[in-house]
Amino acid sequence: QKEVEQDPGPLSVPEGAIVSLNCTYSNSAFQYFMWYRQYSRKGPELLMYTYSSGNKEDGRFTAQVDKSSKYISLFIRDSQPSDSATYLCAMGDDYKLSFGAGTTVTVRA
Amino acid sequence: KAGVTQTPRYLIKTRGQQVTLSCSPISGHRSVSWYQQTPGQGLQFLFEYFSETQRNKGNFPGRFSGRQFSNSRSEMNVSTLELGDSALYLCASRRETDGELFFGEGSRLTVL
Repeated sequence: QKEVEQDPGPLSVPEGAIVSLNCTYSNSAFQYFMWYRQYSRKGPELLMYTYSSGNKEDGRFTAQVDKSSKYISLFIRDSQPSDSATYLCAMGDDYKLSFGAGTTVTVRA
Repeated sequence: KAGVTQTPRYLIKTRGQQVTLSCSPISGHRSVSWYQQTPGQGLQFLFEYFSETQRNKGNFPGRFSGRQFSNSRSEMNVSTLELGDSALYLCASRRETDGELFFGEGSRLTVL
C-alpha cells in the first residue's frame, strides 16, 4: 500500500462547478500537508500549505485536513478553464515529501 | 527573482549509458531535493541535500547518486541506464523560513 493514495481521475467538470479532490494517507508522522498544481510540461507549483487539521481558504481554493481520519481535501469553487491541470497532494516532514499520484482535472468552457 | 533552473530540459540516452543532470536553486536556498516523476509511480523522492550534505535518501538503487556544491548547485547522476529510468526528473529548492518547495521545470530523460 502506498503512503499516499489519490484517485488519478481524470475529472471533467463544466465551468463554474465545484471541484473536489481527495487524498488519504497512512503515515501519522506527516506534519505538513500541501496541494500542488502542475500544468503540462511544467514543474509543480504550490497552491496550499497547512500544518494542522481544519480548513484553510485562499481565494477560490479551500484545503481541508483531518488528521484523525488521515484525509485531506482540496475544493476549487467557481472553476475556470485555466484551472485545468493535474493536482497533486503532498505531505511529509522536514526532509522529504510523499506525493499522491495526481488527479487530472479538465474544466470545460 | 530567478526560479529553480534545471539543465538540460530534454535528453535521450541509450541503455547502459550514464547521465548527469544539473540544478541551480533559488538564490539563498541551501536545500535541494530531487524527485522522479513517471506516469505509473507519480512523484517519488530521490534525495535531499543541504549545505553539501545528503540529509535524506529515497528508495532508489545505488545507480542514482547526487551531490551538492558549495554554491548550492546540485547534480544528480544515473549510471547504467535502464528503460525504466525514463522519467521527468524534478529538482526543488526549499525556503528555510517556512519550508516551501519551489520546483524547476524538470529534465525529461528518455532511455532507448
